Amino acid sequence: QQQVKQSPQSLIVQKGGIPIINCAYENTAFDYFPWYQQFPGKGPALLIAIRPDVSEKKEGRFTISFNKSAKQFSLHIMDSQPGDSATYFCAAARGADGLTFGKGTHLIIQP
Amino acid sequence: GAGVSQSPRYKVAKRGQDVALRCDPISGHVSLFWYQQALGQGPEFLTYFQNEAQLDKSGLPSDRFFAERPEGSVSTLKIQRTQQEDSAVYLCASSLMTGVNIQYFGAGTRLSVL
Repeated sequence: QQQVKQSPQSLIVQKGGIPIINCAYENTAFDYFPWYQQFPGKGPALLIAIRPDVSEKKEGRFTISFNKSAKQFSLHIMDSQPGDSATYFCAAARGADGLTFGKGTHLIIQP
Repeated sequence: GAGVSQSPRYKVAKRGQDVALRCDPISGHVSLFWYQQALGQGPEFLTYFQNEAQLDKSGLPSDRFFAERPEGSVSTLKIQRTQQEDSAVYLCASSLMTGVNIQYFGAGTRLSVL
């Protein structure tokens, strides 16, 4: 049973566009929802995270939208740049437990 | 400042060999996590320590996998009698304290079992 479903699997966007990556979760006990960015040969790096008591959080060019009733959350990247090309993972956790990751989205930003 | 350090970065093992993967967390971090990342997939949780106590090992795929953190700092993930399906990147992450689940990841150890 895949507890966090992520889409799309891959995404190509022109520079300056707004890629949107979506995730859905099943376990209502989850209360922490981070997004990670991973470059080839590197470990995942935390981008931004949200808790279910807020519907949106913005940090720089990255925004998380959270819909608790639908059990969905999404990542928007404003003014995307070629350097944003990477694999993005959503994740979820209950408290301080281990993270449950989505399968990832391979994002390419074309110049 | 130093991040999470993992060694070796690459490990090639013959099927049936035992391997040991090391993780040095960020100094002072209480919690330590191990994940397995298959090619083209998201990381999957293996096990978690708070200081030296292993609080959750529900993700370990078989009894061939064993993890320890005897002094609450460095951790070792050991895989006995490696199989081809064990080939993956093994990631270690640490977080400063329980209740604040900001996990910092190392670069991982890529294990190839031939």
